[in-house]
Amino acid sequence: QVQLQESGPGLVKPSETLSLTCDVSGYSISSGYFWGYIRQPPGKGLEWIGIGYRNGDTYYNPSLRSRATISVDTSSNQYSLRLSSVTAADTAVYFCVRYTYYLDSSGPRGRYFDYWGQGTLVTVSS
Amino acid sequence: QSALTQPPSASGSPGQSVTISCTGSSSDVGGYNFVSWYQQHPGKAPKLMIYEVMQRPSGVPDRFSGSKSGNTASLTVSGLQVEDEAEYYCTSYAASDDLLFGGGTKLSVL
Repeated sequence: QVQLQESGPGLVKPSETLSLTCDVSGYSISSGYFWGYIRQPPGKGLEWIGIGYRNGDTYYNPSLRSRATISVDTSSNQYSLRLSSVTAADTAVYFCVRYTYYLDSSGPRGRYFDYWGQGTLVTVSS
Repeated sequence: QSALTQPPSASGSPGQSVTISCTGSSSDVGGYNFVSWYQQHPGKAPKLMIYEVMQRPSGVPDRFSGSKSGNTASLTVSGLQVEDEAEYYCTSYAASDDLLFGGGTKLSVL
């Protein structure tokens, strides 16, 4: 059973960098899949942040690409998010997720989030 | 403003069917068969209900079904049950390796 657990500071000051780590259990991230983050501002909808692969490949939401960095660490079976220059608009519950994407004889398949962490609230405030 | 458009709310009585729409463009919903749907109960993480437009993950009741016509995808919940009351979100792969979410639809079971 794949389990994801977010960890990191619950409070970050404006203009600083938000840092989160996701611990993965029940699956070795060195075996494959993309790993990423989705966030949800209080009372609002979901927003995709980005995904990363074991080889360093990353893909980001165009609106966050300049500030977001996702790193995958196969040695510790963890991955992390750094979001720089945060403002109050970055206050949200941050979920870590597993993203399924693969190729078969018919071409690309998947492109969905099949495992989610419980989420962690990060508040940006001075 | 979300990239994919969903109605803010939908409702039905137990046993009835309800359909939630998700409208995009030819660059996302209409251009790819990579629409997925997620169910979120208050205070919980979302749960995958449908992927690749109409595929159901193991464990999801067959009361949940997905379809697509043109630039609009739909989630239908048949035989509504009280526990189906939740927020539902659609997503779609989009050109240039982007992933778009809908704004969410609150389903009420009256």
